Amino acid sequence: AQRVTQPEKLLSVFKGAPVELKCNYSYSGSPELFWYVQYSRQRLQLLLRHISRESIKGFTADLNKGETSFHLKKPFAQEEDSAMYYCALSGLAGGTSYGKLTFGQGTILTVHP
Amino acid sequence: KAGVTQTPRYLIKTRGQQVTLSCSPISGHRSVSWYQQTPGQGLQFLFEYFSETQRNKGNFPGRFSGRQFSNSRSEMNVSTLELGDSALYLCASRWDGTTDTQYFGPGTRLTVL
Repeated sequence: AQRVTQPEKLLSVFKGAPVELKCNYSYSGSPELFWYVQYSRQRLQLLLRHISRESIKGFTADLNKGETSFHLKKPFAQEEDSAMYYCALSGLAGGTSYGKLTFGQGTILTVHP
Repeated sequence: KAGVTQTPRYLIKTRGQQVTLSCSPISGHRSVSWYQQTPGQGLQFLFEYFSETQRNKGNFPGRFSGRQFSNSRSEMNVSTLELGDSALYLCASRWDGTTDTQYFGPGTRLTVL
């Protein structure tokens, strides 16, 4: 069974501090991993996906297959980063299970001034 | 392009009734996925439709069903509503369903009394 675990429900940091949102997964095979973000009163939107290996809004995430983790990191948090963050996985791109996203429970990040 | 739209945005029903929710994908997108979001269970995948065919299905009872029309618009139906069906129902669309990003709608908030 596929599963995504985000151990922290709440995370608080001060502006300018580093932030790391943890995500661990279990999946029989090679999954696609994503981070989605939901800002206050906005829709859920994709922040980044591991296959694109790009940095969005200063966030990066590295897929560690050995530890089955996909932690989200940012060296210097900003107040506008305050939001709900969801880690998610699906089957590999190109496959029919790619459209089935399994989400973690989410982490509410609060960045204090 | 206009984003994913969902109607209605809010709905109140009583136990035993049935409900139909509608999702209009981004123009040109052929895949529509549905998710249920509750405080207890988080975001859970319901099903995905691509070119009018159900391609993936989550672990929900048969009371939850959906369909997709030739213009890619999708509806989901819940019959014999239960109190536990109260949730935010999100739909997401993508172009081909196998490689690209899902774009989420604002959701329909269903309350079952």
